[in-house]
Amino acid sequence: NAGVTQTPKFQVLKTGQSMTLQCAQDMNHNSMYWYRQDPGMGLRLIYYSASEGTTDKGEVPNGYNVSRLNKREFSLRLESAAPSQTSVYFCASSSGRGYTYNEQFFGPGTRLTVL
Amino acid sequence: AQSVTQLGSHVSVSEGALVLLRCNYSSSVPPYLFWYVQYPNQGLQLLLKYTTGATLVKGINGFEAEFKKSETSFHLTKPSAHMSDAAEYFCAVKGGGGRRALTFGSGTRLQVQP
Repeated sequence: NAGVTQTPKFQVLKTGQSMTLQCAQDMNHNSMYWYRQDPGMGLRLIYYSASEGTTDKGEVPNGYNVSRLNKREFSLRLESAAPSQTSVYFCASSSGRGYTYNEQFFGPGTRLTVL
Repeated sequence: AQSVTQLGSHVSVSEGALVLLRCNYSSSVPPYLFWYVQYPNQGLQLLLKYTTGATLVKGINGFEAEFKKSETSFHLTKPSAHMSDAAEYFCAVKGGGGRRALTFGSGTRLQVQP
């Protein structure tokens, strides 16, 4: 039981390049999330997926797209990377349906630098 | 909309001293509140959570927090700090309605001096 896994762990991009961050969970969770972490700002929600086939924008979605490929996988794509997207990206998942809520489990993060 | 304020971006205590990390929230609905800990170069780990019921919540590693509705606070405490407690701590509140995403505070880095 690996929990939430993310690949890659580190990435350096040049401005304008594209890439996809991968996330997978093996806990059969319905909901998955992408956050970015910047110094002094905590974690901010980029996108989330309440269930397979659905995605919704979070607090800072501009410049990103997501795909909920199946129940296990939730990817984050940067189509044209910008230096402002230099950050640490965390994927998380949680179980529960409707108004019930269970804790979020976090992956180890992807440290992205855009030059 | 929900928001979280953590007072003090850095807190330093001596080993064996009381740890107090402050968190205030605003929420338009009864809140679910959380404390997460992040060790260097790792993801976030849940310390404790308040959903309903008892307002004093005990978590892992000897931490506890008390939900005070009148003060809109959820401060994290530990009676005696250990060197291994050095980490960054985040307070978070669950979004309203059916939205499950969390709103995080900006974090407090705890330093424990020998």
